[in-house]
This record gives sequence, structure tokens and C-alpha cells, in this order.
Amino acid sequence: EVQLVESGGGLVQPGRSLRLSCTASGFTFGDYTMSWFRQAPGKGLEWVSFIRSKAYGGTTEYAASVKGRFIISRDDSKTIAYLQMNSLKTEDTAVYYCTRAYSGSDYWGQGTLVTVSS
Amino acid sequence: EIVLTQSPGTLSLSPGERATLSCRASQSVSSNYLAWYQQKPGQAPRLLIYGASTRATGIPDRFSGSGSGTDFTLTISRLEPEDFAVYYCQQYGSSPWTFGQGTKVEIK
Repeated sequence: EVQLVESGGGLVQPGRSLRLSCTASGFTFGDYTMSWFRQAPGKGLEWVSFIRSKAYGGTTEYAASVKGRFIISRDDSKTIAYLQMNSLKTEDTAVYYCTRAYSGSDYWGQGTLVTVSS
Repeated sequence: EIVLTQSPGTLSLSPGERATLSCRASQSVSSNYLAWYQQKPGQAPRLLIYGASTRATGIPDRFSGSGSGTDFTLTISRLEPEDFAVYYCQQYGSSPWTFGQGTKVEIK
């Protein structure tokens, strides 16, 4: 059974950093592109970033709203995807979802809440 | 960036009725890489349709997707009580991946 479990969310002050983790199981993690999405309270879905598998160069893409502040990475040996979030802003407050990005995003984690507030 | 516009914003229907949701793209979606998701309150989105018309694993056949290029449709042939939710379209053919603003299907 495919499972994705996010962790690392919480309350953080503007300008500080936070690292989210997505622990995957039930599939060959290294074969898949992994992605992060977010959803601000009461709002729609927003794509944040994805990282391709090593077979496709492990390259990364970012939404304009986070480019230069967030860094996505992966550790295939641990089957974990990370999202390092720096210089956080109040508008980054959202539930962050990790997904397996296959045929769209076929599996989603339950999400982790990040609240950026002073 | 491809802008996706969903209509209507809200659809008020009764169980057993047919729902037709639209998603229009500002430019052609590469390889028809268009997905539909269902989201219920407090839950993560669930993939319903990918590649514009292919049902994801375990999705009932009352859900169907159609369209190509810039115009896409999600049809729910007969609404079940569990189908009342918010539906999003997403294009994943070109970066940045983008979503429509969502269509809420509510009980009339």
C-alpha cells in the first residue's frame, strides 16, 4: 500500500525557516517524481515544487511564489522527500501536501499545517 | 503560465442528477495532461481522472472526463451522496503546474 506521511509543520515567525519531510512507503521511491502542493485556509490548491527521479536527472521546478526561498530535495535511500522553506512569509501559511507525481498526482499525504505568524 | 478557469463556481444539484463541470485553459495543455481531483472538507485531494479521460484506480465509472486542447469536462453521470465536494482541474503538461479555482458541487 502506497503511503506518504508529511511531518515538520508548525508555527514559525516570519523570516524564519522550516523543513518539511515526506516519508514514503509501498512503492519504489527512486523511480518517481515527487511534488509538494499547498492550500491556504479556505483557498484552492497551489503547486509548490517537484523533483524528478534520478533517471530524469533529479531536476527541480518551483512556483514563482517560492522560487529562491524554498528548496526541494530527496533521499532515495531513506525514501524521503524534503521541502526546505526559508525566509517564510505570512502568505506561506497553508496545509502542505506531498504527492507522488505520476499521472497527475496519484497519491497524496494527509498534509501538514504550516502557520507563519509573529 | 497556463491559466485554468473552471465553471460554474457552484453547482446545486440533487442526488441522481447529472453534473457537468468545465475547465478551460488559456493555452493548449501539452499532451492533454489534464487531471481532475475531488476534495472533501478536511481531506487531501483524490485523483479522479488523468490524461483528460482516464479514470484513476478505484474510481467509479459514473465519473468520466473528456476534452482536449483547451476545453475539458468532468461528468458525473448520477450523483451519489458522497460525490458532493469540491472538484479541481490541474494541468501537469508544462511548468508551472496550475489548478483551476475549483467547482463546488452542493446538494440542492
